[in-house]
Amino acid sequence: DGGITQSPKYLFRKEGQNVTLSCEQNLNHDAMYWYRQDPGQGLRLIYYSQIVNDFQKGDIAEGYSVSREKKESFPLTVTSAQKNPTAFYLCASSITGQGRAFFGQGTRLTVV
Amino acid sequence: KNEVEQSPQNLTAQEGEFITINCSYSVGISALHWLQQHPGGGIVSLFMLSSGKKKHGRLIATINIQEKHSSLHITASHPRDSAVYICAVAANTGTASKLTFGTGTRLQVTL
Repeated sequence: DGGITQSPKYLFRKEGQNVTLSCEQNLNHDAMYWYRQDPGQGLRLIYYSQIVNDFQKGDIAEGYSVSREKKESFPLTVTSAQKNPTAFYLCASSITGQGRAFFGQGTRLTVV
Repeated sequence: KNEVEQSPQNLTAQEGEFITINCSYSVGISALHWLQQHPGGGIVSLFMLSSGKKKHGRLIATINIQEKHSSLHITASHPRDSAVYICAVAANTGTASKLTFGTGTRLQVTL
């Protein structure tokens, strides 16, 4: 079945460490997105990519980095520069220019 | 003012009740999504709408493009419907279909 896979579902890291969240899709979608969710707030866009080897900052990109070396993969690295990394992270993909989007199950990151 | 506003923020209902959750948006859109998020965080896409009405089981979603408003209805509600329901819109940017999300409606259905 086609879909988006995020791993792991729960992730714990020590403060000051970089951590990479995985997002893989087999839907052949060109566009992929990373969102962050904090309690009481709507999901906010971190980064998005419309095509391989290209990506754009979203509304809250500071302290994060991404890569898009393959169409099916869009990993997100939470760096030590991100001041409040504990959050729920959601990956999504879509056909560029179309409204329909598909979502992963999310990764809950806790930094201690 | 947020681009996507949901109401109510919290909703408690008894089993069997008819439930309505509202979403208003202020930008031109190509599509609107209704999502369901259970405790633990997993998100399920319920509907994607660009016009009219869609139905799936006990769930019905409607959208009025002229009024920039959508509603999600749950008929014969059940405790397993307890979740956060999120409205999200894909703007008419002409580029990537970036989504703007509402803050969600937390629904609790009791016996």
